[in-house]
Amino acid sequence: DVKVTQSSRYLVKRTGEKVFLECVQDMDHENMFWYRQDPGLGLRLIYFSYDVKMKEKGDIPEGYSVSREKKERFSLILESASTNQTSMYLCASSSIRDNYYGYTFGSGTRLTVV
Amino acid sequence: DAKTTQPTSMDCAEGRAANLPCNHSTISGNEYVYWYRQIHSQGPQYIIHGLKNNETNEMASLIITEDRKSSTLILPHATLRDTAVYYCIVRLLYGGATNKLIFGTGTLLAVQP
Repeated sequence: DVKVTQSSRYLVKRTGEKVFLECVQDMDHENMFWYRQDPGLGLRLIYFSYDVKMKEKGDIPEGYSVSREKKERFSLILESASTNQTSMYLCASSSIRDNYYGYTFGSGTRLTVV
Repeated sequence: DAKTTQPTSMDCAEGRAANLPCNHSTISGNEYVYWYRQIHSQGPQYIIHGLKNNETNEMASLIITEDRKSSTLILPHATLRDTAVYYCIVRLLYGGATNKLIFGTGTLLAVQP
C-alpha cells in the first residue's frame, strides 16, 4: 500500500539537462515537501507546498524549482543539472488532519549527474 | 539547525532492548519530540511522538524526562530489521507546512546477531 510514490528509483542525467522529479501521494494531503540527502549532511529541505499552486523555499532552494498543479502531485525541477546536484531526493507529504501530524516519505530517487 | 543532539552510532544485541538517547535542552513548552527512522535506501518512517508523558505504540516506547530536556526511544526487543538511522526531532504540533521537520544526522543503530 504505497502512499507516496516517486517516479524513478534511479536516474542518470547529463550536466546541463533539465530534470524533472515527480512525486505523487494518494492520501489527499495538503502539504508536500522535497528534501535532498547527502552523506554527513542529513536531510535538507529544498522546497515545500501547502496547497495547489503554492510553494515556499526551504533551506537550499538554489538551482531548483517546483510545480504543484494538482493536489496529489509535486514536481521538483532542476533547471540545468550540475554534478553537485547528485544526491538522494526524498519527497514527503503531511496533513493537518492526521492525528500525529507526521510526514509520510517516498522511497527516494537517487540522481546522478554526469 | 537541528535542535537535538544524538550519539552518532550505537550497537545492540538482537533480542535485547535498544535505548536511544536524545538531548533537546532548548525545547520550548509547546514543542513535541518526534522519532523517525530510516532504513538503508528507504525514506524515513515515523515511529512515535510525545509532549511530556511517556508514550508507547506497537513499534516503540518514548520516555521523556520531567524537565523535557532529554528523551529516550526504546525498542524493547531489537531485531536485525531495526538496523537503521534514528532521528530525534522537536517541533510544534500545529502550524501546517510551515512547521517543517528539520532532521539532524541521527543515530546509526546496528543490531548485532
